[in-house]
Amino acid sequence: EPEVTQTPSHQVTQMGQEVILRCVPISNHLYFYWYRQILGQKVEFLVSFYNNEISEKSEIFDDQFSVERPDGSNFTLKIRSTKLEDSAMYFCASSEYGVPSYGYTFGSGTRLTVV
Amino acid sequence: AQSVTQLGSHVSVSEGALVLLRCNYSSSVPPYLFWYVQYPNQGLQLLLKYTTGATLVKGINGFEAEFKKSETSFHLTKPSAHMSDAAEYFCAVSDSGANSKLTFGKGITLSVRP
Repeated sequence: EPEVTQTPSHQVTQMGQEVILRCVPISNHLYFYWYRQILGQKVEFLVSFYNNEISEKSEIFDDQFSVERPDGSNFTLKIRSTKLEDSAMYFCASSEYGVPSYGYTFGSGTRLTVV
Repeated sequence: AQSVTQLGSHVSVSEGALVLLRCNYSSSVPPYLFWYVQYPNQGLQLLLKYTTGATLVKGINGFEAEFKKSETSFHLTKPSAHMSDAAEYFCAVSDSGANSKLTFGKGITLSVRP
C-alpha cells in the first residue's frame, strides 16, 4: 500500500537554528498538508498546499515557517529560527483529491526537539 | 469553527471487554467525522469515517462508530478488545469542502490488560 514517508524520524536542534522536515507524499496525490502535535496536546493543522501554493494556513504558521515542493516528489517544511515551543511531532499528509471523504494518508511523523 | 472533545486521556480495558472511546464535536456545518489510530512509531491510520448516509459506520479491525447528530457525538466502539488494539485514538472533524482541513481532538490512549 502506498505510504507517505517522512524524514528524519527524530531531529534535535538548538534554539535559533533552521530545520527542514522532509516528506515524500504518495506519487499521484495533489494536495499536501502539515500538522503538528505538541506533547499532550491536540494534533493541529499548520498548512495545506496545492498547485505549488499555500491553500490555507493556521495562525501557528507564521513567518518562521515555510513550505516548498522543490521537485516532483518532496514536500518540505522549514522552520527558520526554531524556538523551544516548536518542539513537537510533525505529521505530513497527502490526498489525491483534497476532499475529506476520499481520505488523507499520513506519514509516521518527525519528532522535533528544540534544546 | 469546528472543534472536537475527547474527554480523558487514557482508557484501560481488559482483553475481551467492550471498548468505548467518546468523541463529541462542534460544527456549524454538516460534519465529516473520522477516527484515526496511531500505533507506536507509526503514522495516523484511518479507522473509519462518516460522511453522509448510514449513521453507523464500520471500520477496520472490528471497530464501529455511530454518528448521533442530536448528541453531537461520534463514539467509537469495539465489542471485544484485543491486545493489539493498544494505541492512541484520535477523533477528527472536517467540513465537506474541497481541501478541507481536519480538526483533531487530543487523543485517547487505549491500554488493554491481559
